[in-house]
Amino acid sequence: KAGVTQTPRYLIKTRGQQVTLSCSPISGHRSVSWYQQTPGQGLQFLFEYFSETQRNKGNFPGRFSGRQFSNSRSEMNVSTLELGDSALYLCASSVQESTDTQYFGPGTRLTVL
Amino acid sequence: GNSVTQMEGPVTLSEEAFLTINCTYTATGYPSLFWYVQYPGEGLQLLLKATKADDKGSNKGFEATYRKETTSFHLEKGSVQVSDSAVYFCALVNQAGTALIFGKGTTLSVSS
Repeated sequence: KAGVTQTPRYLIKTRGQQVTLSCSPISGHRSVSWYQQTPGQGLQFLFEYFSETQRNKGNFPGRFSGRQFSNSRSEMNVSTLELGDSALYLCASSVQESTDTQYFGPGTRLTVL
Repeated sequence: GNSVTQMEGPVTLSEEAFLTINCTYTATGYPSLFWYVQYPGEGLQLLLKATKADDKGSNKGFEATYRKETTSFHLEKGSVQVSDSAVYFCALVNQAGTALIFGKGTTLSVSS
């Protein structure tokens, strides 16, 4: 069974731009969660989607948004990029509940210049 | 709320040495506990998990036991290899049951 895939793997943007990251979960998994990883803050939860609905949300500004499609694939969008948004963005999928074991993708490395 | 604390790194060992990475938690109830590993330039891989008190998770020679008396989930391996060099994260589910909470990570460096 294929693992979680994320595209693109690397992105370079400038301040003020927006960016969209994509995540395809493991086949059969319906829950998709997003995390931001930075050296200073570590791993922080962004949001979780299930059946095309945002079910849970972390403590991030409204510039961070996401969606999930009927095939469980998910995208996250960051608008008006700031230097501090430079991070590794990780997507994780689980079967049903966010409390189920989460399986992570390789991440998208975003650099904001 | 739930939280997890793991030992600061880096941990530097010679090949075949014994490894312990400490992890303690604070939680309401008994949430599942996890160890994830991150190799350079990669995402997180689930290493092992335990879903209830006294459970022992194990994988690839690594072990961790869910101890409610000491609220700990220490990671151990009897003989480390150079290929074990990575960052190790202890994690548990938050109180609301909506997301994972991670420790700050412990960098392990194994030399031959």
